[in-house]
Amino acid sequence: DAGVIQSPRHEVTEMGQEVTLRCKPISGHNSLFWYRQTMMRGLELLIYFNNNVPIDDSGMPEDRFSAKMPNASFSTLKIQPSEPRDSAVYFCASTRGSGANVLTFGAGSRLTVL
Amino acid sequence: GESVGLHLPTLSVQEGDNSIINCAYSNSASDYFIWYKQESGKGPQFIIDIRSNMDKRQGQRVTVLLNKTVKHLSLQIAATQPGDSAVYFCAETKGRGAQKLVFGQGTRLTINP
Repeated sequence: DAGVIQSPRHEVTEMGQEVTLRCKPISGHNSLFWYRQTMMRGLELLIYFNNNVPIDDSGMPEDRFSAKMPNASFSTLKIQPSEPRDSAVYFCASTRGSGANVLTFGAGSRLTVL
Repeated sequence: GESVGLHLPTLSVQEGDNSIINCAYSNSASDYFIWYKQESGKGPQFIIDIRSNMDKRQGQRVTVLLNKTVKHLSLQIAATQPGDSAVYFCAETKGRGAQKLVFGQGTRLTINP
């Protein structure tokens, strides 16, 4: 199993540009999570999906952030327009079943907005 | 409110020694706890978990202790190795569903040769 796959691993962009982060969960996992990690705030849950349906997006910072999961093997997190304060590492994680507690994380996407 | 905190942000130990990483939690209703390890440039990786009906659980070189009286969780790593250098997070939740997980800020463990 290749694990949770995220791309890009690193992205540097300028303020105002659109950023799209991608995630492929583990096959058979039907719950997917997007987290943001910063030194100041630690790991924050942004949104999670169950069976491709967004269940809770209360952690999404503002309307500039959006996430989609068009099928069971792909999800995107989009920031438009990006701002310097969005600089962080964004993790995707998946788990089997909505009641499962143990997450498997991807390697993360490090975003730097200049 | 609910929070998971750590007594020390950094910990340095000599290679071969045992290390203990501590975590305090404030939600007495939490019934499930997890320790994650995050190496540089990687995502958090599951190490070990424990339910609130247990006081101790052992894995390979790791032991988690839960003291519900004082709401304290610890991770013991025996005979530390250079590969143990990482940031360790505790997380807590009540009930089922990873979306309820509350992560602590993390402790950086450094293994000195």
